[in-house]
Amino acid sequence: NAGVMQNPRHLVRRRGQEARLRCSPMKGHSHVYWYRQLPEEGLKFMVYLQKENIIDESGMPKERFSAEFPKEGPSILRIQQVVRGDSAAYFCASSPLSGVFSPGELFFGEGSRLTVL
Amino acid sequence: EDQVTQSPEALRLQEGESSSLNCSYTVSGLRGLFWYRQDPGKGPEFLFTLYSAGEEKEKERLKATLTKKESFLHITAPKPEDSATYLCAVQAPILTGGGNKLTFGTGTQLKVEL
Repeated sequence: NAGVMQNPRHLVRRRGQEARLRCSPMKGHSHVYWYRQLPEEGLKFMVYLQKENIIDESGMPKERFSAEFPKEGPSILRIQQVVRGDSAAYFCASSPLSGVFSPGELFFGEGSRLTVL
Repeated sequence: EDQVTQSPEALRLQEGESSSLNCSYTVSGLRGLFWYRQDPGKGPEFLFTLYSAGEEKEKERLKATLTKKESFLHITAPKPEDSATYLCAVQAPILTGGGNKLTFGTGTQLKVEL
């Protein structure tokens, strides 16, 4: 039973380029969360999605960042025109339950580490 | 705004030397407090959920406890394989804006030596 799969594991981009991070949730899970971990900081919530719906994007920066979870295929976190401050580890997590009922037990992927030169 | 503070930032123990990690929190009503373990280069792995003051959960050498202001993760007779960063997170009630997000602390980096 595969866990949460994220790719790429490592991504290097120059300032101004686009970064696309992909996440396939665990089998049977239809709820996906993205978190960002900056050096020396805790995990910060970015966005919560269900299939074809963004449920809560209160943690997403207003510009350059977007997320989707299409009916078919992985969830994608897209960062346009990257800047050095975007360098971080981006973690995807999935849950079989909705946020209303979720006990907070999330299954995390191994993360995508973005480096912006 | 929900806040989680973990202490110490780093802890070095000898194998078999028991200790406790602290997680202090400020949240507008607690829906749940969670402990995760994170190994270097990996994603966090869920350990425990605590819902109300006085609750305790145990798993192997780990025991988590909860009061109204803080949680402790007690490690009894640790082994080198317990070395990891331990993360604490809280979830506020949906009606007070907790939504679906967890607020994490910065973690305690535990190193257990032979």
